Amino acid sequence: EPEVTQTPSHQVTQMGQEVILRCVPISNHLYFYWYRQILGQKVEFLVSFYNNEISEKSEIFDDQFSVERPDGSNFTLKIRSTKLEDSAMYFCASSPRVESTEAFFGQGTRLTVV
Amino acid sequence: GDSVTQMEGPVTLSEEAFLTINCTYTATGYPSLFWYVQYPGEGLQLLLKATKADDKGSNKGFEATYRKETTSFHLEKGSVQVSDSAVYFCALRSVSSGSARQLTFGSGTQLTVLP
Repeated sequence: EPEVTQTPSHQVTQMGQEVILRCVPISNHLYFYWYRQILGQKVEFLVSFYNNEISEKSEIFDDQFSVERPDGSNFTLKIRSTKLEDSAMYFCASSPRVESTEAFFGQGTRLTVV
Repeated sequence: GDSVTQMEGPVTLSEEAFLTINCTYTATGYPSLFWYVQYPGEGLQLLLKATKADDKGSNKGFEATYRKETTSFHLEKGSVQVSDSAVYFCALRSVSSGSARQLTFGSGTQLTVLP
């Protein structure tokens, strides 16, 4: 069964460093998303991406964040200068088409900023 | 804006007990409603969904009915198993313009089923 794959599963980084979280969405999907979950809190929407551009973003997704689809398979989230409060589980998701109500999630990357 | 309020956990039940996890929502228009489950060490998996009022989503013995009049989507299972131990998230996807694709999640409910 096709699935969304995220790497790494856990990343530890020092405050102020840049991190890139990687995702391989399901191959025929057109919409891609990043969500995050700070420990003990809600899963929060960060950004959606379609047709090689951001279609929606939340207030959380400030200038420190960027997304990219560098090739036909990968979808990345970059945090330019990490802060302690960026520590969270980051989930990538994809969905096949506009009308689809369902998003398929990856296993998540746990980012720890020290 | 859209919001989901979910029963706080943790919930601990004995095997074969009846489960209810309450979920209510606030949204513009008529959202699609979902329950996602997160097993230990795994990602979010769609458990069931309902896209219009009075629809019942069901999967793996779990059920939830889209109640527009009470803006609710409570999750139920008649007889839980140890393998159902996980975190359960209620979510909605609004169909209003500007938020047509993002999901809004509740805070999650940790369920532990004891043998």
